[in-house]
Amino acid sequence: DTGVSQNPRHKITKRGQNVTFRCDPISEHNRLYWYRQTLGQGPEFLTYFQNEAQLEKSRLLSDRFSAERPKGSFSTLEIQRTEQGDSAMYLCASSLSLGGETQYFGPGTRLLVL
Amino acid sequence: AQTVTQSQPEMSVQEAETVTLSCTYDTSESDYYLFWYKQPPSRQMILVIRQEAYKQQNATENRFSVNFQKAAKSFSLKISDSQLGDAAMYFCAYRSAGATNKLIFGTGTLLAVQP
Repeated sequence: DTGVSQNPRHKITKRGQNVTFRCDPISEHNRLYWYRQTLGQGPEFLTYFQNEAQLEKSRLLSDRFSAERPKGSFSTLEIQRTEQGDSAMYLCASSLSLGGETQYFGPGTRLLVL
Repeated sequence: AQTVTQSQPEMSVQEAETVTLSCTYDTSESDYYLFWYKQPPSRQMILVIRQEAYKQQNATENRFSVNFQKAAKSFSLKISDSQLGDAAMYFCAYRSAGATNKLIFGTGTLLAVQP
């Protein structure tokens, strides 16, 4: 049973560049979540999908952020025109669509914007 | 809006001893779920234990147990017979039973286990 995987694990970019992260959920999970975690803080919710539909977005998800899950399987999170404040760990989680279902997290992508 | 507070930024425990991590939350909802997640250094977050608010019985998973006090909005985690591998950041999280599926996390407690 493979868990949630994320690629790349680390990304260093220059301010103003675009970056894209990928998340592959646990295969039978139809829900997929993105969170952002800054140093010394707990993860903060960004957005979530049920199958290919994006059902909820946080106000943290500015216009420079876009997430997709085109076929209801893997998801991508793109950040355009990166800023230094975007430096964080980006976590992906997946779950089944049951009541109170547990979310299983991937290892995260650590982004550093120079 | 719901909030989760972990007032202990760091805790330390001797190997084989017991430690309790505190968590309080604020909500106006009556139905929700509470979780404790463990995040070891440079490793992914894993679920330790979960509690449904409608259940009066406190959840237990091997050496891990919770003290869920709904009226007080308190959800503490007790780790018995602490092991070196328990050293990690521990996050308390809240999830509504309503339409939203997002987890709301506290700021975490860094647990050190002394040999």
